[in-house]
Amino acid sequence: SQQGEEDPQALSIQEGENATMNCSYKTSINNLQWYRQNSGRGLVHLILIRSNEREKHSGRLRVTLDTSKKSSSLLITASRAADTASYFCATDAGRGNNRLAFGKGNQVVVIP
Amino acid sequence: KAGVTQTPRYLIKTRGQQVTLSCSPISGHRSVSWYQQTPGQGLQFLFEYFSETQRNKGNFPGRFSGRQFSNSRSEMNVSTLELGDSALYLCASSLEGTGGYYGYTFGSGTRLTVV
Repeated sequence: SQQGEEDPQALSIQEGENATMNCSYKTSINNLQWYRQNSGRGLVHLILIRSNEREKHSGRLRVTLDTSKKSSSLLITASRAADTASYFCATDAGRGNNRLAFGKGNQVVVIP
Repeated sequence: KAGVTQTPRYLIKTRGQQVTLSCSPISGHRSVSWYQQTPGQGLQFLFEYFSETQRNKGNFPGRFSGRQFSNSRSEMNVSTLELGDSALYLCASSLEGTGGYYGYTFGSGTRLTVV
């Protein structure tokens, strides 16, 4: 079964608003990563949070990780039309597995 | 620095045929992973190669195979194509399998359609 599993709702927001997506997973992880995908093209790495971290920021992105609840959230602040994309969380179990288990993705539409 | 290059971008094949997809990782990256993306199953791990050796393999039938060359370029092959093999195939590279530290760099993918 897939590790990462986002709340499957599509999100439609106005430009300038914040967008929040959630992700839950089932087993222990080494780290959790968020990726963006535009229109069925390649994935772009956004941010990585390790299992011993609780919060991380990168520009307008803020990710949190709660290992006790096996969940993560991604917040995009002050959204822009260019943020319209699908967002995926992916878990890495580490231990040399070198593979990501992806969630089903969350579609975000930012209306100008 | 050039990104991950996947060729071809689009491919149409007939059931029963075989297909080979190519991936050139970022220069210096020795780990190459392959993923299949379909609307129904989402993104699924196929396999990972490092220094010409398959290190990890996902749950796909033996019709799916791959290899890596000494220059780290990788190919994946699907034999006896089925309609269900229609998907976006993504390749990702990382430095020495360090995707767990810095994340992975993905190519734009090859869109395979089986008719």
